[in-house]
Amino acid sequence: DGGITQSPKYLFRKEGQNVTLSCEQNLNHDAMYWYRQDPGQGLRLIYYSQIVNDFQKGDIAEGYSVSREKKESFPLTVTSAQKNPTAFYLCASTLQGNTGELFFGEGSRLTVL
Amino acid sequence: QKEVEQDPGPLSVPEGAIVSLNCTYSNSAFQYFMWYRQYSRKGPELLMYTYSSGNKEDGRFTAQVDKSSKYISLFIRDSQPSDSATYLCAMILRPGTGANNLFFGTGTRLTVIP
Repeated sequence: DGGITQSPKYLFRKEGQNVTLSCEQNLNHDAMYWYRQDPGQGLRLIYYSQIVNDFQKGDIAEGYSVSREKKESFPLTVTSAQKNPTAFYLCASTLQGNTGELFFGEGSRLTVL
Repeated sequence: QKEVEQDPGPLSVPEGAIVSLNCTYSNSAFQYFMWYRQYSRKGPELLMYTYSSGNKEDGRFTAQVDKSSKYISLFIRDSQPSDSATYLCAMILRPGTGANNLFFGTGTRLTVIP
């Protein structure tokens, strides 16, 4: 079945550590996105990529980094520079030029201890 | 002022009730309007999308857009416990430019009580 796979589902991290969240899609979509979801704040865009080897910052990119070496993969690294990393992270993809119909993964819950 | 405003709820209704979920927006340039449904600890899934003012129906769900009032609604008829979820409205400025121009509401948490 086609879809988006995020891993791990739950992750605990000590302060000062970097952590990488995986996102893989087999939908043959060109564009991929990372969102952060906090209670009462909705979805906030961290980074997005519309083509391999290219990506752009979203609204809250500070303290995060991404890469897009393959069409299917868009990993997100939460660095120690992110001041408040505990959150639910969602990866999404869409066809290029789409009207905004996003396909989401099941999310990764990161907790910083 | 946020681009998109949505009452966060929570909203509790008895099974079989008609549910009305609403969002307002400030930018008249929004062209496409969407509703996503998100079950607890899951990613959102697209429920409905509309382009023009008026109503769009899909089974028990009706999406309504009033561009003159900058107001969109999602109605759920004969609500079921399986409808219990958070509903997020979303809207995009320029179709075809990708989801980087997509704005989400904060979501309304709905519980349907058997």
